[in-house]
Amino acid sequence: QVQLVQSGVEVKKPGASVKVSCKASGYTFTNYGITWVRQAPGQGLEWMGWIGANNGNTKYAQKFQGRVTMTTDTSTTTAYMELRRLRSDDTAVFYCARRGDNWNDFDYWGQGTQVSVSS
Amino acid sequence: QSVLTQPPSVSGAPGQRVTISCTGSSSNIGAGYDVHWYQQLPGTAPKLLIYGNTNRPSGVPDRFSGSKSATSASLAITGLQAEDEADYYCHSYDISLSGSVIFGGGTRLTVL
Repeated sequence: QVQLVQSGVEVKKPGASVKVSCKASGYTFTNYGITWVRQAPGQGLEWMGWIGANNGNTKYAQKFQGRVTMTTDTSTTTAYMELRRLRSDDTAVFYCARRGDNWNDFDYWGQGTQVSVSS
Repeated sequence: QSVLTQPPSVSGAPGQRVTISCTGSSSNIGAGYDVHWYQQLPGTAPKLLIYGNTNRPSGVPDRFSGSKSATSASLAITGLQAEDEADYYCHSYDISLSGSVIFGGGTRLTVL
């Protein structure tokens, strides 16, 4: 069965960077893209960007351009999202999700990674 | 402020039917982009509920249905159950944002 398992809770200081991992299993990793979504406390879903697992091509939301980098390691079927220059309003749960190939939906999601930014 | 507009909340009694709207514009839903819906139970990750406007993934009860017309989409839930209490989000794409992903602001469904 398809599974996306994310790395654990992170606590960071303002100005630091965080790198969240998303380990995929149960499907051919290179056949699907991975998207990243942020959810601040009590808020809705916010798309950050995605990466094609077969070619590493990326598309980032304008809001995160210059501050985010998404990568994949096909040897370990793991996707990564690094967010730099963290601010307190980056405190959120970060989700990875698989991008469906036919409909461009997000058909499977990771469990989420809580990132807290505080001095 | 989200590009796709959803009502912040809806409610209904068990057994009733509720609908959640997702209003867009000519640059997203009206441009022909598909709409997808997600259910987020409290404290959990979102789950795909409806894809491609009207399709249900395997395992999603047929009490859930989606529709799309012009510049909007709707999610209908019939035979409301207590376990349907959750946040619901619509998702599409927008030409003016170079085809980037857009989400609705989310709708909290309360089962009375």
